[in-house]
Amino acid sequence: GAVVSQHPSWVICKSGTSVKIECRSLDFQATTMFWYRQFPKQSLMLMATSNEGSKATYEQGVEKDKFLINHASLTLSTLTVTSAHPEDSSFYICSAPQGAQSNQPQHFGDGTRLSIL
Amino acid sequence: AQTVTQSQPEMSVQEAETVTLSCTYDTSESNYYLFWYKQPPSRQMILVIRQEAYKQQNATENRFSVNFQKAAKSFSLKISDSQLGDTAMYFCAFALQGAQKLVFGQGTRLTINP
Repeated sequence: GAVVSQHPSWVICKSGTSVKIECRSLDFQATTMFWYRQFPKQSLMLMATSNEGSKATYEQGVEKDKFLINHASLTLSTLTVTSAHPEDSSFYICSAPQGAQSNQPQHFGDGTRLSIL
Repeated sequence: AQTVTQSQPEMSVQEAETVTLSCTYDTSESNYYLFWYKQPPSRQMILVIRQEAYKQQNATENRFSVNFQKAAKSFSLKISDSQLGDTAMYFCAFALQGAQKLVFGQGTRLTINP
């Protein structure tokens, strides 16, 4: 079946470091991918919609200069947390819909646990 | 804007029992899709079941079924013959027709006890 691979699964780094997270669709093309943030014991909050070949669409309240999204190919979207600080520590999850219809299943990556010291 | 509300933060039942998780949503649109996702401790998001709003028949997937009440904007999930592997966070989600982004509820932590 369709699979979305997310890498790395866990990263620990010092404050001020920039961290890149990759989201790949392994056996299908995804013109759109989504990036979510999940705090402990809370729900997934949509951060942005990643659009292949164009700028990402950010949700209200999400700093686009802090969370840089690049969707350079039909199978890869990256989220870069720039100059990360402890408050950026969270669980980040990407998803990609298989197909253009909104009833098509979203395939989720396994998530990235980001810990900023 | 669309909102999804899950009013049960936690639930706990014995193995083999039936459990129902509640979900309500708010939208002014008439065409949309509803989903239940499961997030086990591994944190992988797994689709449990989905419902098209234009369909009156409730969706079923083996032990999982929904009670979709469009007028009441209610979308509950029933798990029959619950199993230990059903222990997880369950999220109700909404997507407008023509849009792919999901709006999630707060989640319900379900524990199945042996």
